[in-house]
Amino acid sequence: DAGITQSPRHKVTETGTPVTLRCHQTENHRYMYWYRQDPGHGLRLIHYSYGVKDTDKGEVSDGYSVSRSKTEDFLLTLESATSSQTSVYFCAISDKVQENSYEQYFGPGTRLTVT
Amino acid sequence: QKEVEQNSGPLSVPEGAIASLNCTYSDRGSQSFFWYRQYSGKSPELIMFIYSNGDKEDGRFTAQLNKASQYVSLLIRDSQPSDSATYLCAVINSGGSNYKLTFGKGTLLTVNP
Repeated sequence: DAGITQSPRHKVTETGTPVTLRCHQTENHRYMYWYRQDPGHGLRLIHYSYGVKDTDKGEVSDGYSVSRSKTEDFLLTLESATSSQTSVYFCAISDKVQENSYEQYFGPGTRLTVT
Repeated sequence: QKEVEQNSGPLSVPEGAIASLNCTYSDRGSQSFFWYRQYSGKSPELIMFIYSNGDKEDGRFTAQLNKASQYVSLLIRDSQPSDSATYLCAVINSGGSNYKLTFGKGTLLTVNP
């Protein structure tokens, strides 16, 4: 987890409330990612960023938005939280190490409960 | 949909045995393959990566890649109770965006003392 922090680490919120999760890195990596992890589904990509202000959707992006105004910060926003968004959220970072090598490293995770 | 398949387990082995974890992938053009270990309640931790056919060894871990069979495996020799975790296989698919990983759902390994 060195070099990657997530905040908050735990959050309980009510349905319909907006929620923002923050990922902060000190590695100066170009790529950043948001995943959610649920039993039976594994890790699923929500959104990713390939540079400042450059973001794109992953496989489960509905109900989520992201922003990246600085290299080190990647924000995930749930505009109006629903119970189906109760999950563990992981941020990851990567950069090109060598040809074909974009090893991803994960933050400690945020456990979000929507009641 | 490019898929990565793993047996969900649980795979149970005695301490000191070899644990064998398997993964198949659907995208024949995939070039890069990763194994992550995830302890309960923790984040995934990268333990091995492999790009070329054959074996790659790192301590007690050996990754094996067979691109013709679209198969990648992880062997853990002299398994220890501390190896008990979920092991995730991940693949970089072909067709651009080679910085995105597709993950399998993971195999739960239990090493019994």
